[in-house]
Amino acid sequence: DGGITQSPKYLFRKEGQNVTLSCEQNLNHDAMYWYRQDPGQGLRLIYYSQIVNDFQKGDIAEGYSVSREKKESFPLTVTSAQKNPTAFYLCASSSAVGTEAFFGQGTRLTVV
Amino acid sequence: AQSVTQPDIHITVSEGASLELRCNYSYGATPYLFWYVQSPGQGLQLLLKYFSGDTLVQGIKGFEAEFKRSQSSFNLRKPSVHWSDAAEYFCAVASGNTPLVFGKGTRLSVIA
Repeated sequence: DGGITQSPKYLFRKEGQNVTLSCEQNLNHDAMYWYRQDPGQGLRLIYYSQIVNDFQKGDIAEGYSVSREKKESFPLTVTSAQKNPTAFYLCASSSAVGTEAFFGQGTRLTVV
Repeated sequence: AQSVTQPDIHITVSEGASLELRCNYSYGATPYLFWYVQSPGQGLQLLLKYFSGDTLVQGIKGFEAEFKRSQSSFNLRKPSVHWSDAAEYFCAVASGNTPLVFGKGTRLSVIA
């Protein structure tokens, strides 16, 4: 089945620890995205990548880092510099930036 | 910069009644417009999209939306709501080479 796989679905971490969220797609899409969702805030863009080995900051990139070493994979690291990391994180991909995006099922990160 | 406004945070409709969810966007050129639906704890599913051409677009699950350039609107409609339509709905806008920008969402409740 073609799609986007995010893992894990739930993640718990202690404050001060870095954590990496996985996102893999087998849709052969060039563009991939990370959004953060908080209640009542909609989706806010963290980072996006148009092609392998290239990525751009979104609106709320502070405290996050990404890599794009393979077309299929776009992991997101939430660093200890992120002041309020508890949120629902959504990964998406599209054939090109600005076209319809397909979403994974999300990872709910809780930092205690 | 592009922006999307969904004026209604929460709407409640009776099963079988008609539905209209409002979306207004801000963008200089002709935008690409999207409606997505999200069930609790899940990713987003594309309902429909508008790129160009006929301003009335049909989507999945019996939804349709109309692009009105003069009003900068892209409202989502359904003639008869089913209980399974209860979810959160997001409107999004993009240009040809920018990531999707989302509104804050409208939560739909359906009562018997």
